[in-house]
Amino acid sequence: NAGVTQTPKFQVLKTGQSMTLQCAQDMNHEYMSWYRQDPGMGLRLIHYSVGAGITDQGEVPNGYNVSRSTTEDFPLRLLSAAPSQTSVYFCASSYSWGRADTQYFGPGTRLTVL
Amino acid sequence: DQQVKQNSPSLSVQEGRISILNCDYTNSMFDYFLWYKKYPAEGPTFLISISSIKDKNEDGRFTVFLNKSAKHLSLHIVPSQPGDSAVYFCAAMRESSNTGKLIFGQGTTLQVKP
Repeated sequence: NAGVTQTPKFQVLKTGQSMTLQCAQDMNHEYMSWYRQDPGMGLRLIHYSVGAGITDQGEVPNGYNVSRSTTEDFPLRLLSAAPSQTSVYFCASSYSWGRADTQYFGPGTRLTVL
Repeated sequence: DQQVKQNSPSLSVQEGRISILNCDYTNSMFDYFLWYKKYPAEGPTFLISISSIKDKNEDGRFTVFLNKSAKHLSLHIVPSQPGDSAVYFCAAMRESSNTGKLIFGQGTTLQVKP
């Protein structure tokens, strides 16, 4: 049981490049979400999904796309990377979307955009 | 507009003493509050939570207090141990929204000195 896995751990991009941050969970959780953590800002919700085929925007969705074709995977796509997207990205999942105390976070992806 | 605020970026306490971490919120619609702990290079892990119908919740060395009239919550760790050294995030949500959306504070770095 691997929990929530994220790849890659580190990534450096140039402005304008696109990439996909991968997130997978093996706990059969319905709810998955993406956060970014910036210094002095805490974690901010980017997008979330309450089940396969269903996604919605969080606080800071601009510049990011998501899809949820399977229960296990919830990739985050950066369409055209900008220096403002330099951050640490965390994926989380939980059995139910009603209670957040069951949310499990992945180890994070540290992204630098030059 | 920061809806959840942790005004102390850092806190240093001696092993065995009490650690008190504070958090303020502005949105009166929040009805569920959580504390997460984060070690370097890891994702946040759930620590303790409290519903707005309570004013105190205890779990071992950790107690969370909620003062709804002041829109303030605090986390008490007694006694503090060196292994408690980490970043602590408070988070809030509208449980009734059934979206699982969490709003995080900026975090407080706790250092427990042996």
